[in-house]
Amino acid sequence: SQQGEEDPQALSIQEGENATMNCSYKTSINNLQWYRQNSGRGLVHLILIRSNEREKHSGRLRVTLDTSKKSSSLLITASRAADTASYFCATDLYGNNRLAFGKGNQVVVIP
Amino acid sequence: DTGVSQDPRHKITKRGQNVTFRCDPISEHNRLYWYRQTLGQGPEFLTYFQNEAQLEKSRLLSDRFSAERPKGSFSTLEIQRTEQGDSAMYLCASSHPGQTQETQYFGPGTRLLVL
Repeated sequence: SQQGEEDPQALSIQEGENATMNCSYKTSINNLQWYRQNSGRGLVHLILIRSNEREKHSGRLRVTLDTSKKSSSLLITASRAADTASYFCATDLYGNNRLAFGKGNQVVVIP
Repeated sequence: DTGVSQDPRHKITKRGQNVTFRCDPISEHNRLYWYRQTLGQGPEFLTYFQNEAQLEKSRLLSDRFSAERPKGSFSTLEIQRTEQGDSAMYLCASSHPGQTQETQYFGPGTRLLVL
């Protein structure tokens, strides 16, 4: 069964706006990762946050992790049309890189 | 680094036929993973290899599915007696030993349609 659950499922924003999506999980984790998938480039790793970290930045991406609430958020700042994609969170449950993906968040950035 | 490649990219087959997919990981990546993704869902783990050893198999991987990585390089995933429910995107990923092992690099996938 899917470990992560993203919320909201679909998001439509104007170029330049920020996009925030959330992910919740059920069991203890070693790390949580965010991936992006679009038809042109397949599934691409964006950022990894470990269970002992609370916040991480990478370019226009900001990820937070709240292990007490078993949730994570991904913020994309100053969105671009090229950010249009599906975004998945994935958790590494057993420390063996067996990733459990959520259902995904579809983001459409309108130019 | 030429990325993970998969072949074929698309496969249409009739129910009951056997199909085989190939994955070539990034060179020197010792771990290789297979996932399956259906429309509107995230990828689901199927199995993974460390070098040539198959270390874990999901319950999703029925007896009709078999995966191999004979020389610790490329891998094949075979589905015997395909069923319509096998229609999905089959994704392969690889990861590098050491600190970056958690990052998985995915191939473009093989889209299977069983008629």
